[in-house]
Amino acid sequence: DAGVIQSPRHEVTEMGQEVTLRCKPISGHDYLFWYRQTMMRGLELLIYFNNNVPIDDSGMPEDRFSAKMPNASFSTLKIQPSEPRDSAVYFCASSSNELGTGDNQPQHFGDGTRLSIL
Amino acid sequence: AQSVAQPEDQVNVAEGNPLTVKCTYSVSGNPYLFWYVQYPNRGLQFLLKYITGDNLVKGSYGFEAEFNKSQTSFHLKKPSALVSDSALYFCAIYTGRRALTFGSGTRLQVQP
Repeated sequence: DAGVIQSPRHEVTEMGQEVTLRCKPISGHDYLFWYRQTMMRGLELLIYFNNNVPIDDSGMPEDRFSAKMPNASFSTLKIQPSEPRDSAVYFCASSSNELGTGDNQPQHFGDGTRLSIL
Repeated sequence: AQSVAQPEDQVNVAEGNPLTVKCTYSVSGNPYLFWYVQYPNRGLQFLLKYITGDNLVKGSYGFEAEFNKSQTSFHLKKPSALVSDSALYFCAIYTGRRALTFGSGTRLQVQP
């Protein structure tokens, strides 16, 4: 299995531009999570989906952030317009529907997208 | 609400010595607890979990963790540290519907 795949790995763009981060979860996993990691705030859960439906988006910082999951194999996190304070590493993770049995891991993480807003 | 705390930002240990990375938790009910490791420029990787059963849990790369209900702790341990163990370690607690809340992370530095 290829694991959770995120693209791009690095993104550098200017303030005000639209940024789209992409994630392909592990096949068969029905939960998908978006996290943001910064030195100041650590690892924050932004939003997560179950069967392509958003379950909890209370971590989304503001209306400039939006996330979609149009099908079971693809999700996007969009920032429009971007600001320098959005600079962070953004992680996607996916999970199967059994916690602690079968699939050993509660969540499988991608290698992240390092976003720099100038 | 469920939460975890990692009281140490950094732990330094010499290669070959035992290591401990601390984690305490707060939960109503029985906790489901996890440890993850993050190497530079990589995502988090699962190490081990406590769901129920034995208080001493064994995981990947020779790591283990001890669940202590009376002290509400779940410390990560390894008998003999390797330089390659140097990384960022996260404790996490299950908060329902497959969601996890992560601690602030502890950077482990193993010196040769």
